[in-house]
Amino acid sequence: EVQLVESGGGLVQPGGPLRLSCAASGFPFSTYWMSWVRQAPGKGLEWVANINEDGSKKNYVDSVKGRFTISRDNAKNSLDLQMSSLRVEDTAVYYCASRAWLEGWGQGTPVTVSS
Amino acid sequence: DIQMTQSPSSLSASVGDKVTITCRASQDIRNDLGWFQQKPGKAPKRLIYATSTLHSGVPSRFSGSGSGTEFTLTISSLQPEDFATYYCLQHRTYPYTFGQGTNLEIK
Repeated sequence: EVQLVESGGGLVQPGGPLRLSCAASGFPFSTYWMSWVRQAPGKGLEWVANINEDGSKKNYVDSVKGRFTISRDNAKNSLDLQMSSLRVEDTAVYYCASRAWLEGWGQGTPVTVSS
Repeated sequence: DIQMTQSPSSLSASVGDKVTITCRASQDIRNDLGWFQQKPGKAPKRLIYATSTLHSGVPSRFSGSGSGTEFTLTISSLQPEDFATYYCLQHRTYPYTFGQGTNLEIK
Protein backbone atom coordinates (compact mmCIF):
# COMPACT_ATOMS: atom_id res chain seq x y z
CA GLU A 1 0.00 0.00 0.00
CA VAL A 2 1.28 3.43 -0.94
CA GLN A 3 2.22 5.47 2.11
CA LEU A 4 3.39 9.06 1.77
CA VAL A 5 4.21 11.33 4.71
CA GLU A 6 5.00 14.99 4.11
CA SER A 7 6.94 17.19 6.49
CA GLY A 8 8.63 20.57 6.61
CA GLY A 9 5.68 22.90 6.37
CA GLY A 10 5.33 25.97 8.55
CA LEU A 11 5.23 29.74 8.71
CA VAL A 12 7.71 31.64 6.57
CA GLN A 13 8.13 35.28 5.68
CA PRO A 14 7.64 36.50 2.11
CA GLY A 15 10.84 36.05 0.15
CA GLY A 16 12.04 33.28 2.40
CA PRO A 17 12.89 29.64 1.68
CA LEU A 18 11.34 26.42 2.87
CA ARG A 19 12.05 22.78 2.10
CA LEU A 20 9.32 20.18 2.10
CA SER A 21 9.99 16.47 2.25
CA CYS A 22 7.93 13.39 1.55
CA ALA A 23 8.83 9.97 2.93
CA ALA A 24 7.56 7.14 0.77
CA SER A 25 6.95 3.49 1.56
CA GLY A 26 4.90 0.52 0.44
CA PHE A 27 5.77 0.70 -3.24
CA PRO A 28 8.87 0.62 -5.49
CA PHE A 29 9.67 4.30 -5.14
CA SER A 30 12.57 4.35 -7.58
CA THR A 31 10.31 3.16 -10.42
CA TYR A 32 7.57 5.77 -9.94
CA TRP A 33 7.22 9.35 -11.14
CA MET A 34 6.40 11.56 -8.16
CA SER A 35 4.40 14.76 -7.91
CA TRP A 36 3.56 17.76 -5.72
CA VAL A 37 0.08 19.30 -5.63
CA ARG A 38 -1.09 22.21 -3.51
CA GLN A 39 -4.37 23.62 -2.26
CA ALA A 40 -4.73 27.21 -1.09
CA PRO A 41 -7.15 27.79 1.79
CA GLY A 42 -10.71 27.31 0.61
CA LYS A 43 -9.60 26.80 -2.99
CA GLY A 44 -9.22 23.95 -5.45
CA LEU A 45 -6.29 21.73 -6.27
CA GLU A 46 -3.29 22.98 -8.22
CA TRP A 47 -0.66 20.73 -9.77
CA VAL A 48 2.81 22.08 -8.90
CA ALA A 49 5.54 19.81 -10.20
CA ASN A 50 6.59 16.28 -11.00
CA ILE A 51 9.81 14.32 -11.45
CA ASN A 52 10.62 11.14 -13.29
CA GLU A 53 12.05 7.95 -11.86
CA ASP A 54 15.74 8.89 -11.91
CA GLY A 55 15.32 12.63 -11.44
CA SER A 56 16.44 13.56 -14.94
CA LYS A 57 13.10 15.06 -16.00
CA LYS A 58 11.25 17.72 -14.02
CA ASN A 59 8.14 19.71 -14.87
CA TYR A 60 6.66 22.74 -13.10
CA VAL A 61 3.63 24.99 -13.23
CA ASP A 62 4.65 28.40 -14.56
CA SER A 63 3.94 30.22 -11.30
CA VAL A 64 6.73 28.35 -9.48
CA LYS A 65 9.32 27.99 -12.24
CA GLY A 66 12.66 29.39 -11.16
CA ARG A 67 11.58 29.44 -7.49
CA PHE A 68 10.77 25.81 -6.66
CA THR A 69 12.94 22.76 -7.27
CA ILE A 70 11.69 19.21 -7.07
CA SER A 71 14.20 16.48 -6.30
CA ARG A 72 14.35 12.92 -5.06
CA ASP A 73 16.67 10.51 -3.28
CA ASN A 74 15.87 6.98 -4.38
CA ALA A 75 18.24 5.49 -1.81
CA LYS A 76 16.17 7.09 0.95
CA ASN A 77 12.74 6.79 -0.73
CA SER A 78 12.39 10.52 -0.32
CA LEU A 79 10.93 13.34 -2.41
CA ASP A 80 11.72 17.01 -1.75
CA LEU A 81 10.38 20.38 -2.81
CA GLN A 82 12.81 23.23 -2.25
CA MET A 83 10.88 26.49 -2.29
CA SER A 84 12.53 29.91 -2.45
CA SER A 85 11.39 33.51 -2.93
CA LEU A 86 8.11 32.50 -1.37
CA ARG A 87 5.07 34.68 -1.96
CA VAL A 88 1.87 35.13 0.01
CA GLU A 89 0.05 33.33 -2.81
CA ASP A 90 2.16 30.21 -2.20
CA THR A 91 0.24 29.71 1.05
CA ALA A 92 -1.37 26.28 0.77
CA VAL A 93 -1.42 22.71 1.94
CA TYR A 94 1.20 20.85 -0.09
CA TYR A 95 0.60 17.21 -0.96
CA CYS A 96 3.02 14.72 -2.42
CA ALA A 97 1.52 12.11 -4.68
CA SER A 98 2.74 8.98 -6.38
CA ARG A 99 3.02 8.68 -10.15
CA ALA A 100 2.42 11.44 -12.66
CA TRP A 101 -1.30 10.79 -12.49
CA LEU A 102 -1.54 11.11 -8.70
CA GLU A 103 -2.32 7.55 -7.71
CA GLY A 104 -1.69 7.84 -3.96
CA TRP A 105 -1.54 10.95 -1.76
CA GLY A 106 0.03 11.98 1.49
CA GLN A 107 -1.89 13.80 4.21
CA GLY A 108 -0.36 17.16 3.28
CA THR A 109 1.80 19.72 5.04
CA PRO A 110 0.64 23.33 5.46
CA VAL A 111 2.76 26.24 4.31
CA THR A 112 1.89 29.79 5.37
CA VAL A 113 3.72 32.71 3.82
CA SER A 114 3.08 35.81 5.86
CA SER A 115 4.90 38.65 7.53
CA ASP B 1 -2.47 25.75 -20.74
CA ILE B 2 -5.41 23.38 -21.03
CA GLN B 3 -8.45 24.70 -19.16
CA MET B 4 -10.66 22.16 -17.45
CA THR B 5 -14.21 23.36 -16.89
CA GLN B 6 -16.29 21.36 -14.45
CA SER B 7 -20.04 21.56 -14.13
CA PRO B 8 -21.94 22.00 -12.02
CA SER B 9 -19.79 23.76 -9.43
CA SER B 10 -22.18 22.58 -6.75
CA LEU B 11 -24.92 20.00 -6.62
CA SER B 12 -27.53 19.01 -4.04
CA ALA B 13 -28.77 15.44 -4.15
CA SER B 14 -30.29 12.75 -1.98
CA VAL B 15 -29.11 9.32 -0.96
CA GLY B 16 -30.00 6.93 -3.75
CA ASP B 17 -29.92 9.55 -6.50
CA LYS B 18 -27.92 9.18 -9.68
CA VAL B 19 -25.63 12.14 -10.31
CA THR B 20 -23.41 13.16 -13.17
CA ILE B 21 -20.53 15.62 -13.14
CA THR B 22 -19.06 16.90 -16.38
CA CYS B 23 -15.55 18.07 -17.20
CA ARG B 24 -14.74 19.83 -20.46
CA ALA B 25 -11.19 20.32 -21.71
CA SER B 26 -10.21 23.31 -23.80
CA GLN B 27 -8.39 20.97 -26.18
CA ASP B 28 -8.16 17.28 -26.95
CA ILE B 29 -6.68 15.30 -24.06
CA ARG B 30 -7.43 11.86 -25.52
CA ASN B 31 -8.35 9.80 -22.44
CA ASP B 32 -5.72 11.27 -20.08
CA LEU B 33 -8.22 12.23 -17.41
CA GLY B 34 -8.66 11.28 -13.78
CA TRP B 35 -11.30 11.95 -11.13
CA PHE B 36 -10.59 12.64 -7.45
CA GLN B 37 -12.73 12.83 -4.34
CA GLN B 38 -11.91 15.09 -1.41
CA LYS B 39 -13.66 15.30 1.93
CA PRO B 40 -13.24 18.32 4.22
CA GLY B 41 -9.86 18.42 5.93
CA LYS B 42 -8.66 15.31 4.14
CA ALA B 43 -6.30 14.59 1.25
CA PRO B 44 -7.85 13.87 -2.13
CA LYS B 45 -8.27 10.27 -3.22
CA ARG B 46 -8.16 9.03 -6.78
CA LEU B 47 -11.37 7.43 -7.97
CA ILE B 48 -10.84 6.91 -11.69
CA TYR B 49 -7.93 7.06 -14.10
CA ALA B 50 -7.61 6.89 -17.87
CA THR B 51 -11.17 8.27 -18.09
CA SER B 52 -12.98 5.11 -17.07
CA THR B 53 -10.78 2.75 -15.03
CA LEU B 54 -11.71 2.47 -11.38
CA HIS B 55 -8.92 2.85 -8.84
CA SER B 56 -8.49 -0.22 -6.65
CA GLY B 57 -11.14 -0.45 -3.96
CA VAL B 58 -13.45 2.19 -5.45
CA PRO B 59 -17.09 1.04 -5.43
CA SER B 60 -18.65 0.11 -8.74
CA ARG B 61 -21.35 2.76 -8.35
CA PHE B 62 -18.70 5.18 -9.62
CA SER B 63 -18.07 5.24 -13.35
CA GLY B 64 -16.34 7.50 -15.85
CA SER B 65 -16.73 8.02 -19.54
CA GLY B 66 -15.78 10.33 -22.37
CA SER B 67 -12.90 11.11 -24.65
CA GLY B 68 -11.28 14.05 -26.36
CA THR B 69 -12.75 17.11 -24.68
CA GLU B 70 -15.82 15.96 -22.77
CA PHE B 71 -15.85 13.63 -19.79
CA THR B 72 -18.32 12.56 -17.15
CA LEU B 73 -18.22 11.08 -13.68
CA THR B 74 -21.39 9.25 -12.72
CA ILE B 75 -22.42 7.98 -9.32
CA SER B 76 -25.25 5.54 -9.90
CA SER B 77 -26.78 5.53 -6.42
CA LEU B 78 -25.47 8.08 -3.94
CA GLN B 79 -24.39 6.81 -0.56
CA PRO B 80 -23.89 8.98 2.54
CA GLU B 81 -20.11 8.69 2.26
CA ASP B 82 -20.14 10.11 -1.29
CA PHE B 83 -20.94 13.66 -0.24
CA ALA B 84 -17.67 15.43 -0.96
CA THR B 85 -15.92 17.63 -3.52
CA TYR B 86 -14.92 16.07 -6.82
CA TYR B 87 -12.15 17.20 -9.16
CA CYS B 88 -11.08 16.19 -12.63
CA LEU B 89 -7.44 16.32 -13.74
CA GLN B 90 -5.96 16.29 -17.22
CA HIS B 91 -2.48 14.78 -17.47
CA ARG B 92 -2.10 14.99 -21.23
CA THR B 93 -0.09 18.19 -21.42
CA TYR B 94 2.02 20.19 -18.99
CA PRO B 95 1.11 21.95 -16.85
CA TYR B 96 -1.39 19.38 -15.64
CA THR B 97 -4.61 21.13 -14.71
CA PHE B 98 -7.55 20.40 -12.44
CA GLY B 99 -11.14 21.40 -12.85
CA GLN B 100 -12.39 23.89 -10.29
CA GLY B 101 -14.26 21.23 -8.35
CA THR B 102 -17.86 20.14 -7.80
CA ASN B 103 -19.21 20.29 -4.27
CA LEU B 104 -21.76 17.49 -3.84
CA GLU B 105 -24.05 18.23 -0.90
CA ILE B 106 -26.89 16.42 0.78
CA LYS B 107 -30.33 17.71 -0.18
